[in-house]
Amino acid sequence: LAKTTQPISMDSYEGQEVNITCSHNNIATNDYITWYQQFPSQGPRFIIQGYKTKVTNEVASLFIPADRKSSTLSLPRVSLSDTAVYYCLVGDIDAGNMLTFGGGTRLMVKP
Amino acid sequence: KAGVTQTPRYLIKTRGQQVTLSCSPISGHRSVSWYQQTPGQGLQFLFEYFSETQRNKGNFPGRFSGRQFSNSRSEMNVSTLELGDSALYLCASSSRLAGVGETQYFGPGTRLLVL
Repeated sequence: LAKTTQPISMDSYEGQEVNITCSHNNIATNDYITWYQQFPSQGPRFIIQGYKTKVTNEVASLFIPADRKSSTLSLPRVSLSDTAVYYCLVGDIDAGNMLTFGGGTRLMVKP
Repeated sequence: KAGVTQTPRYLIKTRGQQVTLSCSPISGHRSVSWYQQTPGQGLQFLFEYFSETQRNKGNFPGRFSGRQFSNSRSEMNVSTLELGDSALYLCASSSRLAGVGETQYFGPGTRLLVL
């Protein structure tokens, strides 16, 4: 299974852009990169998913370089409600739907 | 479309008892996975069911078991509860088997406290 490494925590201020980088050096050819957001006492919520280059949706952007050994989740103009834990996952098709969560990045947005 | 629902939301049990948790996936989803989340170990995969068959199993003792019904609803059972089983148990559903680009949707979880 591809393993991911993310910063344990990050601080930001309202209105700033936040970039969270995830390393996944042994990503396999067919693996996708997925990011989830989790608030306390709630289940993780899907944010964005990508395979290569750049993906953008109404919530975030995901940047993936050509070698795919890392990815960066970009949250534009964060607000206090974006305070949460963000998980980067790399899909392993041989593992079925088994998601392997790392420690995640605890983002604290301050006023 | 209704999301993933889990019942009960909160549960208190004592050591040695057993517990059954229920998960109803999003309508049309056939895959249900279960996860345990604790402050010390984070989110850990328990098992996954697809079309009533267990497809994958995480590294948990046999006290943890599950099943899936023909309507895709799933139950998870923990027998002979231990204090360390206190956790948030999360259920996630997806429309098909993983792989390429599949997304899982999580329920709110069942918080189990073992005394």
